[in-house]
Amino acid sequence: QKEVEQNSGPLSVPEGAIASLNCTYSDRGSQSFFWYRQYSGKSPELIMSIYSNGDKEDGRFTAQLNKASQYVSLLIRDSQPSDSATYLCAVIGRVVRGSQGNLIFGKGTKLSVKP
Amino acid sequence: DTGVSQDPRHKITKRGQNVTFRCDPISEHNRLYWYRQTLGQGPEFLTYFQNEAQLEKSRLLSDRFSAERPKGSFSTLEIQRTEQGDSAMYLCASSLGAGQQETQYFGPGTRLLVL
Repeated sequence: QKEVEQNSGPLSVPEGAIASLNCTYSDRGSQSFFWYRQYSGKSPELIMSIYSNGDKEDGRFTAQLNKASQYVSLLIRDSQPSDSATYLCAVIGRVVRGSQGNLIFGKGTKLSVKP
Repeated sequence: DTGVSQDPRHKITKRGQNVTFRCDPISEHNRLYWYRQTLGQGPEFLTYFQNEAQLEKSRLLSDRFSAERPKGSFSTLEIQRTEQGDSAMYLCASSLGAGQQETQYFGPGTRLLVL
């Protein structure tokens, strides 16, 4: 079982719609979750971080975390063509020796917002 | 520019040659990570430093790979006897290590092509 799973897409939504991106993770001990946006040929850019169950909103973005279901999602409201990118879900691996903190990424979901 | 910087941005080399990449983290960030990303995949962890100490290495990091962070500031990643399978984007990230809630910021990456 892969540690972080995402639907690779592509997910296509019309401009102005809500885009919903989903991610599941396998390690129940994970505590920190991140969404990065990556444009083609560029490096990942942090969109949101979330650490507690529930919703966290930042502008047009809302991250949702459900630790019981081991599920993280990202909602993008009023989607714009400039949101077209690959969205990477990442989890910090379980800290077992007090020294780890590397991110474990999913493969990413490619989002296309059509004008 | 106060973000993470990487040099070079692109490198083309012939199989069997050695290459070295440099990463300059955000000032005062004590943690520095190296990741590798191939087409269609999320970034994969290679190694990380806390200050000058290399604390974790992935099994992806074969003995042809070596990384240093001699003064706890910039880091170098060297690949000896490059192989075509080493072709990838090499990403550096830095963070102000704070356990499970640290946020990693990525540099622009170095794209390596081994012919």
